Amino acid sequence: SAVISQKPSRDICQRGTSLTIQCQVDSQVTMMFWYRQQPGQSLTLIATANQGSEATYESGFVIDKFPISRPNLTFSTLTVSNMSPEDSSIYLCSGGQGIYEQYFGPGTRLTVT
Amino acid sequence: AQKITQTQPGMFVQEKEAVTLDCTYDTSDPSYGLFWYKQPSSGEMIFLIYQGSYDQQNATEGRYSLNFQKARKSANLVISASQLGDSAMYFCAMREGDPSSGDKLTFGTGTRLAVRP
Repeated sequence: SAVISQKPSRDICQRGTSLTIQCQVDSQVTMMFWYRQQPGQSLTLIATANQGSEATYESGFVIDKFPISRPNLTFSTLTVSNMSPEDSSIYLCSGGQGIYEQYFGPGTRLTVT
Repeated sequence: AQKITQTQPGMFVQEKEAVTLDCTYDTSDPSYGLFWYKQPSSGEMIFLIYQGSYDQQNATEGRYSLNFQKARKSANLVISASQLGDSAMYFCAMREGDPSSGDKLTFGTGTRLAVRP
């Protein structure tokens, strides 16, 4: 199984600022994903982080708001830009080494004031 | 239409008893995978069990088993001998299509399970 860590674990940010969340996997994975979980809701996929190319965004999410980097097969970052209170959520990254696996990081709890 | 439907927003179960959490799915792809995750109050997503669409047998992992009924498009999670630590939110998720095209998951709305002592 893959072990995934995220930094920071939580943060409180002011409106209009940006936060970059880091995701580190202890082994190489082909694909990494970023999800958002708004309070009391299920998980929604933001984008697929592709190594060596631009991320693939889901409907309703754009690169200017959620820029993603994937410099190698074990690391990715998600930036939440120009934050508003509506961005207050848990942000989770995931990845796996095979089709039977999809492991998640512990999440980043973001509160925007 | 919802791809993953979990009709039970909340469930109670007595400690040491078994409980079934329902999940139905909707896909036209012949190749897909179904996942169950546990999310305790800490927020982490804990992988529990996986069932592939071509798997002949129901998946089992310790106290967790998956009741896979392909014709009914259901993939219910069965937890045997419930423990207090099983109290959490449970999510069913699906990966559609050939695995080589990507492993992104679609999640249901979740079921909150409370285990009573």
